[in-house]
Amino acid sequence: AQTVTQSQPEMSVQEAETVTLSCTYDTSESDYYLFWYKQPPSRQMILVIRQEAYKQQNATENRFSVNFQKAAKSFSLKISDSQLGDAAMYFCAYRSPFNAGNMLTFGGGTRLMVKP
Amino acid sequence: NAGVTQTPKFQVLKTGQSMTLQCAQDMNHNSMYWYRQDPGMGLRLIYYSASEGTTDKGEVPNGYNVSRLNKREFSLRLESAAPSQTSVYFCASSQGLSPKNIQYFGAGTRLSVL
Repeated sequence: AQTVTQSQPEMSVQEAETVTLSCTYDTSESDYYLFWYKQPPSRQMILVIRQEAYKQQNATENRFSVNFQKAAKSFSLKISDSQLGDAAMYFCAYRSPFNAGNMLTFGGGTRLMVKP
Repeated sequence: NAGVTQTPKFQVLKTGQSMTLQCAQDMNHNSMYWYRQDPGMGLRLIYYSASEGTTDKGEVPNGYNVSRLNKREFSLRLESAAPSQTSVYFCASSQGLSPKNIQYFGAGTRLSVL
């Protein structure tokens, strides 16, 4: 079974600065997708960015970008120009065609605090 | 732009009581899912429905039943609630089961079993 590990329970960043959240995963599969979800205090799970494993180019979405290292099984999220609204729990997730229901397997989350 | 709607938002049950969590999506998605989130953890899949008329077990199905009432609605039932089922429950939907399809989540139901 796949596992997803987020080694940073909490992170803090100053407004307007850059922060990187770490994620590693364990899999023997070659075809899969990786996601970062944001969960603000409202509890709504919001997709931030996704990466297809067969694409070498790192995904970017405005201020959010990833550093995908397939051989190292690493998938970190970089948030540039941090804003107060970025404060939330961030979950890294893995999905492949070989899991039940192609389910998302989540890491334990990283709480990001943004200081004004 | 409702997306995925879950009801109720909060619920408190006594051990042994039953209840049904409701979920509806308005995106014409084929696949729907129920997850639970325990404190300090990510979400875990309880049941899923690949398409109308089908349901299958996920990672943690024990103590739950589901019904895919129609394409829009997917309910989760606790027949005899236990304290271990205290959790936040999320419903999600996607166009299909393919991993490339994005899953869209509801706002969750916070359930406490005393």
